[in-house]
Amino acid sequence: ETGVTQSPTHLIKTRGQQVTLRCSSQSGHNTVSWYQQALGQGPQFIFQYYREEENGRGNFPPRFSGLQFPNYSSELNVNALELDDSALYLCASSLLQGANTDTQYFGPGTRLTVL
Amino acid sequence: RKEVEQDPGPFNVPEGATVAFNCTYSNSASQSFFWYRQDCRKEPKLLMSVYSSGNEDGRFTAQLNRASQYISLLIRDSKLSDSATYLCVVKGGGATNKLIFGTGTLLAVQP
Repeated sequence: ETGVTQSPTHLIKTRGQQVTLRCSSQSGHNTVSWYQQALGQGPQFIFQYYREEENGRGNFPPRFSGLQFPNYSSELNVNALELDDSALYLCASSLLQGANTDTQYFGPGTRLTVL
Repeated sequence: RKEVEQDPGPFNVPEGATVAFNCTYSNSASQSFFWYRQDCRKEPKLLMSVYSSGNEDGRFTAQLNRASQYISLLIRDSKLSDSATYLCVVKGGGATNKLIFGTGTLLAVQP
């Protein structure tokens, strides 16, 4: 096991609602990245957090936002949910040293269904 | 054009077969390359990193051709337990070091 945990494991919401997903990183890691994986697709990078600040963002609208806490755990918030937000949301923790991160280890994911 | 392109498969092969997956990437500035394995409804797990010199881990061999921007994975003597989706992954440069995934290639090893 990677030591990366996510909660909840499954979630059902309706359009327009808001959701918060949580991730606890592996011990010793300082960076959390979030990915969205739609059915039949590879994961797509949403954003990365390092030392409690956003450290890069993919092509996702502002209604996708996040936080990182002093213990390096992280939250992903999605406002005004749309049907297309239904996906597996993965977080990955890693150690950023200098300009490079080492291997990213993925949590088990949260499966979000928007009705 | 997608940043990382893979044949989605599925590849249906008998046990003991040798199977090869290929992948191309568009950004010549990409720095690091990986193959991840993803079982059904599970998270991706790192299978192996890919180097220009080629690297081997048991029955698995990965190769990188920077000039052609091409990555490959060879699996010899396929086992039933190799059935999974294999994701080609490229890590871009810059402070973010985000991972860019292909759509994955589904492998089904048949008894």
